[in-house]
Amino acid sequence: DTAVSQTPKYLVTQMGNDKSIKCEQNLGHDTMYWYKQDSKKFLKIMFSYNNKELIINETVPNRFSPKSPDKAHLNLHINSLELGDSAVYFCASSPRVGGYEQYFGPGTRLTVT
Amino acid sequence: SQKIEQNSEALNIQEGKTATLTCNYTNYSPAYLQWYRQDPGRGPVFLLLIRENEKEKRKERLKVTFDTTLKQSLFHITASQPADSATYLCALGAYNTDKLIFGTGTRLQVFP
Repeated sequence: DTAVSQTPKYLVTQMGNDKSIKCEQNLGHDTMYWYKQDSKKFLKIMFSYNNKELIINETVPNRFSPKSPDKAHLNLHINSLELGDSAVYFCASSPRVGGYEQYFGPGTRLTVT
Repeated sequence: SQKIEQNSEALNIQEGKTATLTCNYTNYSPAYLQWYRQDPGRGPVFLLLIRENEKEKRKERLKVTFDTTLKQSLFHITASQPADSATYLCALGAYNTDKLIFGTGTRLQVFP
């Protein structure tokens, strides 16, 4: 199936640990994003990559580091996890920059205890 | 700072009626506006995009309007069905940043 996929779907970990979330899209899109959706369901952009180049870097703690090994993959690594990092993280892709629709993955629910 | 408000947290309507959802924004001049649907436990799904020079867009039972003077978008679902029950998100963007700013969403419940 053509889609945006994320792994894992659920992630439960303790404070202070380091974890990664992986994202892959097979839609042939140029642009990929990471969003955070908090407990109030507010969806906020974190990062965006276009052709492996970082183009959006919102005010996110530097414990969060995205990595795009190629156009189809965008991973998110989080160091020294904190309770406030608990949220659902969505990966998305778009054909290109410039106001196009975005295709979202199923989300990764991160719970930090 | 930029602010996007969606009319109500929840909207309940009867099957067959037209659902109208509102998205208001301040301190922003978006170049385009998008509407997404989100079901529980799933990622948002793109529905419609309307650009600043367009007044109205339609897709099947969906219609969106965009009034840059009122700073408002209306999203209509005609002949609503229980399967339309979901949270609907509006999102605004500008070409120079390619950053979508999402509203808080309206949870629509269509009952038989």
